[in-house]
Amino acid sequence: DTAVSQTPKYLVTQMGNDKSIKCEQNLGHDTMYWYKQDSKKFLKIMFSYNNKELIINETVPNRFSPKSPDKAHLNLHINSLELGDSAVYFCASSLNTGTGGEKLFFGSGTQLSVL
Amino acid sequence: GQQVMQIPQYQHVQEGEDFTTYCNSSTTLSNIQWYKQRPGGHPVFLIQLVKSGEVKKQKRLTFQFGEAKKNSSLHITATQTTDVGTYFCARGGGSQGNLIFGKGTKLSVKP
Repeated sequence: DTAVSQTPKYLVTQMGNDKSIKCEQNLGHDTMYWYKQDSKKFLKIMFSYNNKELIINETVPNRFSPKSPDKAHLNLHINSLELGDSAVYFCASSLNTGTGGEKLFFGSGTQLSVL
Repeated sequence: GQQVMQIPQYQHVQEGEDFTTYCNSSTTLSNIQWYKQRPGGHPVFLIQLVKSGEVKKQKRLTFQFGEAKKNSSLHITATQTTDVGTYFCARGGGSQGNLIFGKGTKLSVKP
C-alpha cells in the first residue's frame, strides 16, 4: 500500500480552468504539506496542516486553496489556472508538527501543465 | 529561516568515481536532513544529522555534519548508475518550523 498517495499523476488543462489535486496518507501522521517543484527542481513549501488546522501558508496566490477534511487528507484546489502554475506538486506528511525534526514522506507528485 | 546553499548544482561523473555534494548555512543548524529524488520520482528521505561533527554511513554513502553545525556533506564512494538523481539537503527553521530545502545537486553517472 502506498503511504502517501496523490491523484491525478498528470493534469493537463487550459488557462483559466479550475482544478483539484487530492492527497491521502495512511501513515497516521498528524501533519500534511503541499510543496511546489518548479522546472529547476526547487522545492518550495506552499501549505501545511496539522490535524486539519492550517499552520503554514506561504506567499501563495489566493487562487490556491487547500482543504483538509480530516488529518489523513489534504486536497489542493486551484482557481483560474495560469501558465506559471505549471509545475510538479508534491503532497507530503510527517508524524508531528513540522518543527524541522521529522522526516517527510512524499507522494509521487502531480505534474500540472497549463496550456 | 535562511535557505541552505548547496553546491555544486550539477555533477557528471564516470561510473566508479566518487561524488560529494555540500550544504552550507550562514546560521547554526539544529539538524540537517538529506533526500534523494530519482528522475521522474519524488524526494525520499535518506538521513537526519543532529550532533556536531556527526558522521553516518549507509553502504557507499557517507554523511557528515560540521563541527559548527553550519555545513553538511554527502559523499558517495564508487558511484553506480543507480545513484543518478538529485540530492537535496533540508534544514528546519522555516517561518513556522517547516523544512527548507536546498536547490539540490543533480548527479549524472556515465556507465
